[in-house]
Amino acid sequence: AQSVTQLGSHVSVSEGALVLLRCNYSSSVPPYLFWYVQYPNQGLQLLLKYTTGATLVKGINGFEAEFKKSETSFHLTKPSAHMSDAAEYFCAVSGGSARQLTFGSGTQLTVLP
Amino acid sequence: DADVTQTPRNRITKTGKRIMLECSQTKGHDRMYWYRQDPGLGLRLIYYSFDVKDINKGEISDGYSVSRQAQAKFSLSLESAIPNQTALYFCATSGVRGTGSSGANVLTFGAGSRLTVL
Repeated sequence: AQSVTQLGSHVSVSEGALVLLRCNYSSSVPPYLFWYVQYPNQGLQLLLKYTTGATLVKGINGFEAEFKKSETSFHLTKPSAHMSDAAEYFCAVSGGSARQLTFGSGTQLTVLP
Repeated sequence: DADVTQTPRNRITKTGKRIMLECSQTKGHDRMYWYRQDPGLGLRLIYYSFDVKDINKGEISDGYSVSRQAQAKFSLSLESAIPNQTALYFCATSGVRGTGSSGANVLTFGAGSRLTVL
């Protein structure tokens, strides 16, 4: 069984401030972890993924996430928020070769001028 | 043209009507999925298909059916729509060949089909 918990359904930051979106997972097998972003009126697109190897993963648009097995976490960060980062962000987990991807409930990021 | 195309993009219908949402892809992917998105609930898997002859129920399949007409086409049907099926529906694809096992989990999404059942 696998599940994802995203802490905070809404996060607001000022432009130029640090973005931190939290994700905790549970998986009975070594997980594959993903962050997807959804811009208004669009489908989801992949930001970054962790499968094996280096625990700090860099993605598109300056985002990165760190896999911490001891904390069962995969938090998403960006050093400096931009107005264009406003979107909904989804964390997802797949248990290795599991046939399904399980999504969290999403975090809406608002960037204030 | 989009890699994953969903039709219709918006549909308003009445309770009891039969509705079909269609999905086609040009990615050459073998795996296709239907998800439902509701505010505060994220995406929940309805059905998925790993090839034309392999169709599986997801987390919330009750009230839905699917058909994999070809590798590139995967349609979702609501035989008798009800108001709590009002949602945003997404088709997604993923491939395995040449990508390693992790490639199977990277989804390419369509733009979504917004369904309203009155």
